[in-house]
Amino acid sequence: QVRLQESGPGLVKPSETLSLTCSVSGGSISSDYWSWIRQPPGKGLEWIGYIHDSGSTNYNPSLMGRVTIAVDTSKKQFSVRLSSVTAADTAVYYCARGGNFVLDYWGQGTLVTVSS
Amino acid sequence: SYELTQPPSVSVSPGQTARIACSGDALPKQFAYWYQQKPGQAPILVMNKDTERPSGIPERISGSSSGTTVTLTISGVQAEDEADYYCQSADITGVYVVFGGGTKLTVL
Repeated sequence: QVRLQESGPGLVKPSETLSLTCSVSGGSISSDYWSWIRQPPGKGLEWIGYIHDSGSTNYNPSLMGRVTIAVDTSKKQFSVRLSSVTAADTAVYYCARGGNFVLDYWGQGTLVTVSS
Repeated sequence: SYELTQPPSVSVSPGQTARIACSGDALPKQFAYWYQQKPGQAPILVMNKDTERPSGIPERISGSSSGTTVTLTISGVQAEDEADYYCQSADITGVYVVFGGGTKLTVL
């Protein structure tokens, strides 16, 4: 059973960079796609982007230029960085297995609040 | 940008059938996926590739597709089915992922 666990700061200051890591256990990170999704409080799900273990990425056009997703196969981790954050980036951030198709395993999510 | 449209809410009495629709222009070309999310929990996959039920999902949950609309059907609705339901697919290029706005299913 694949398990994913998000980790990172729960509070980020405006204009700074949000950085989260997702650790994968119970399965291989190779030859697969891995995604980040977020959910502002009380709102719906928003796709952030995905990465293949080869390193190829695709991002939500609305976040293009601010978001970077990377993978470290040796550590079985992938990460997301979102720069120049504002209060609108406050959300629960989820990592999941999958790309532009089914997202079959999700982490429990981590709340990131943007506030000074 | 590409959008998937869902009704904000659906309400049914226990034992009745709930149908949640999701519409999008690329759905004839792209599979849709459905997720159930209960308060404070991560989404879980309840329907794969329009009509495939993942292991562990009750048989009373089914999916269908017709043209630009996919539908999640829950027969014999139970109190435990009360949740938010999201459809997910990709745009016509298959590159960009999109979620519907979500439907809150209320069991009366």
